[in-house]
Amino acid sequence: AQSVTQPDIHITVSEGASLELRCNYSYGATPYLFWYVQSPGQGLQLLLKYFSGDTLVQGIKGFEAEFKRSQSSFNLRKPSVHWSDAAEYFCAATIMEYGNKLVFGAGTILRVKS
Amino acid sequence: DGGITQSPKYLFRKEGQNVTLSCEQNLNHDAMYWYRQDPGQGLRLIYYSQIVNDFQKGDIAEGYSVSREKKESFPLTVTSAQKNPTAFYLCASSIGLAGNIQYFGAGTRLSVL
Repeated sequence: AQSVTQPDIHITVSEGASLELRCNYSYGATPYLFWYVQSPGQGLQLLLKYFSGDTLVQGIKGFEAEFKRSQSSFNLRKPSVHWSDAAEYFCAATIMEYGNKLVFGAGTILRVKS
Repeated sequence: DGGITQSPKYLFRKEGQNVTLSCEQNLNHDAMYWYRQDPGQGLRLIYYSQIVNDFQKGDIAEGYSVSREKKESFPLTVTSAQKNPTAFYLCASSIGLAGNIQYFGAGTRLSVL
């Protein structure tokens, strides 16, 4: 079955430090991949997406993600974290054969220490 | 401003009661979705609709019902058959299927009295 795994439930980083959030997928073919961010009690905002082409994808708020087919991964990175980045981050995937049914990871809660 | 509006923000359900969550979009999107979010479980798909008057069950449709009479509206009814309805419910829409970006509303938090 198709699945998306985010191995880290919580991550704490110091303000100004670099960040990497992990995401692995299990699909028969390369899926479309997304990272969303959610502030408490709010909806989800798209950070970036990967459909094809360049494996390093730039998004909003200074985030980037790298698609690695050999590792079935799509990790999210940011060089320098700001206190306002504290939120929950979701990785999601879908493939054409399943329409646009997104499969989400369980999420990673990011805490930022000042 | 274009977007997705969910109402109410908070909703309380009594035993045996059906409640309806509203979702309206003015993005002219064809496809709409309902997700349920529980802590530590990510989002799970309840129902989705590709076009007006058509909808499909998602992974956890039991105890829920939907309608799609208008392109802009996709209300979700949580029926009394849903024994554990307490959750955060999110509505989304996209231009179509096949990998298009889904845009989300701000959510409705449903609790049981």
